[in-house]
Amino acid sequence: GAGVSQTPSNKVTEKGKYVELRCDPISGHTALYWYRQSLGQGPEFLIYFQGTGAADDSGLPNDRFFAVRPEGSVSTLKIQRTERGDSAVYLCASSSSGRAGKTQYFGPGTRLLVL
Amino acid sequence: ELKVEQNPLFLSMQEGKNYTIYCNYSTTSDRLYWYRQDPGKSLESLFVLLSNGAVKQEGRLMASLDTKARLSTLHITAAVHDLSATYFCAVDIGDAGGTSYGKLTFGQGTILTVHP
Repeated sequence: GAGVSQTPSNKVTEKGKYVELRCDPISGHTALYWYRQSLGQGPEFLIYFQGTGAADDSGLPNDRFFAVRPEGSVSTLKIQRTERGDSAVYLCASSSSGRAGKTQYFGPGTRLLVL
Repeated sequence: ELKVEQNPLFLSMQEGKNYTIYCNYSTTSDRLYWYRQDPGKSLESLFVLLSNGAVKQEGRLMASLDTKARLSTLHITAAVHDLSATYFCAVDIGDAGGTSYGKLTFGQGTILTVHP
């Protein structure tokens, strides 16, 4: 079956530009997560959605980062006024619910490079 | 603040040998996950451990959880080249009310290389 998909797979942008990263979760999964992975590190939590609402956005580094999930399926991570330090792999994951023990299935990631 | 530490960070093994990767975490939790990541790829779920004393095995890998010691181990038996990858443990402590919603805190990862 189809897994989590993310587009684009790679994004190169210039400092100060705006970018949108898209995530299509596994069909029927109500929980959706965004993580950021820097080179040589483990993923870091950014934000969690249960349905359409952001249940926890405590990992967003600052107000340049914003994410939406308007219909409870596809999610978009938006970064304004990009900085070189935003360069990383942005991973999306989904699970069948937000309850304990549910496996999070990760997408292939979007590699963002800010020049 | 939850800290998750893996040891070792780099592991070079000969084929056929056994070894253990350790994952220590700083805050009480009984929800621990192991993932595998191949170079340039995303994360693949290996094990979900949800109680003290939980043990799970798949092929040459076996994971266990000791919540009192705040320690999980990933044991590799008779390593083969195909096991070369980066292995991450991740812990879920839930929110202040004790409700879990799957927000994971990852360790730094252990880069495993298996050579002939």
